[in-house]
Amino acid sequence: GQQLNQSPQSMFIQEGEDVSMNCTSSSIFNTWLWYKQDPGEGPVLLIALYKAGELTSNGRLTAQFGITRKDSFLNISASIPSDVGIYFCANSGNTPLVFGKGTRLSVIA
Amino acid sequence: DTAVSQTPKYLVTQMGNDKSIKCEQNLGHDTMYWYKQDSKKFLKIMFSYNNKELIINETVPNRFSPKSPDKAHLNLHINSLELGDSAVYFCASSMWDREDTQYFGPGTRLTVL
Repeated sequence: GQQLNQSPQSMFIQEGEDVSMNCTSSSIFNTWLWYKQDPGEGPVLLIALYKAGELTSNGRLTAQFGITRKDSFLNISASIPSDVGIYFCANSGNTPLVFGKGTRLSVIA
Repeated sequence: DTAVSQTPKYLVTQMGNDKSIKCEQNLGHDTMYWYKQDSKKFLKIMFSYNNKELIINETVPNRFSPKSPDKAHLNLHINSLELGDSAVYFCASSMWDREDTQYFGPGTRLTVL
């Protein structure tokens, strides 16, 4: 089945630093989604992207839908301790929602 | 005003037992899902139901039987539990045409001893 390759697998950053993570696929998709999972909780949708080239922000988070429709990135600016968690990219379409393996973010105060 | 709730939050049981996990959503959604998250945090869909009808069954062993008494509830019953069933199980819901916007429950951590 389709696979989403997410990188990096994990990151340790200092509070205040900017973060960038990305997701690639071998298939073309019409939707890219970014979810965050806090420790002990379920994933929460952060940003949804629906058009190639689309750049969308949600507070300190910015995500872009790649022009090739096979990739997306998520940036977090000026990280804070509550940014800790696992960030998942996901695709939806005519198939069940498929998730990447996640990027685990740790923020050192 | 919890949107998607699951019970129990934690479940510890012996191999071979039968157990159920309950899920309820108060968002008025018509589609509900069960996901399994393994120890490496890989999240994979197991089932989806639309208006109480099974839509997706992703090669899950038939020891797992979802049941949807109404649109707001989707329960998961597991027979003859095995060690490999240990995982966190998430329920989610959405509108049928908005699969991209799913709301997840807090998860049920199942440990099979």
